[in-house]
Amino acid sequence: GQQLNQSPQSMFIQEGEDVSMNCTSSSIFNTWLWYKQDPGEGPVLLIALYKAGELTSNGRLTAQFGITRKDSFLNISASIPSDVGIYFCAGQRGGTSYGKLTFGQGTILTVHP
Amino acid sequence: EPEVTQTPSHQVTQMGQEVILRCVPISNHLYFYWYRQILGQKVEFLVSFYNNEISEKSEIFDDQFSVERPDGSNFTLKIRSTKLEDSAMYFCASTTDVTGELFFGEGSRLTVL
Repeated sequence: GQQLNQSPQSMFIQEGEDVSMNCTSSSIFNTWLWYKQDPGEGPVLLIALYKAGELTSNGRLTAQFGITRKDSFLNISASIPSDVGIYFCAGQRGGTSYGKLTFGQGTILTVHP
Repeated sequence: EPEVTQTPSHQVTQMGQEVILRCVPISNHLYFYWYRQILGQKVEFLVSFYNNEISEKSEIFDDQFSVERPDGSNFTLKIRSTKLEDSAMYFCASTTDVTGELFFGEGSRLTVL
């Protein structure tokens, strides 16, 4: 099946620092999404990207849909303690596979005050 | 804010027993999904459901699994004869369209002994 390689696996940063994480795939996705998961909870959608090259912001978060449609990155600027959690990228192929998301392995973010 | 609700939050069962996990999707949503997450691993697609039938299912979703929308509000996942490797967090998700912007519930943790 399709695999998403997400990196880094974990990050330990100081409050106020910027964070960058990315996902790559060997195959094309029509939609890229970034989710955050807090302990014991379900993933929560942060940003959705629909077009190659698209750059979208949501507050301190910025994500881009790669030109090749095989990659995406997420940046978090000026991190705060509540940014702690696991961040997942997810790709959707489209066609008849709506809602069938392929998730990356996740990036565990720790923010030290 | 509307949300996807799941019950039970945690279920412990003996191997070979049947388990039913329940979900109430967001009321105006039309597409429903089950995903699972084995502890420490990524979220994996199990099945999608639309118009009262399965749209797509993964290799994980074998004959031991079934889904049902019995009454227009609940969406259930049944595992007929649980195995140790079925131990995981099971997430229900729903959406109103085909964008891939899924709303996830908080999950049901299944422990098979």
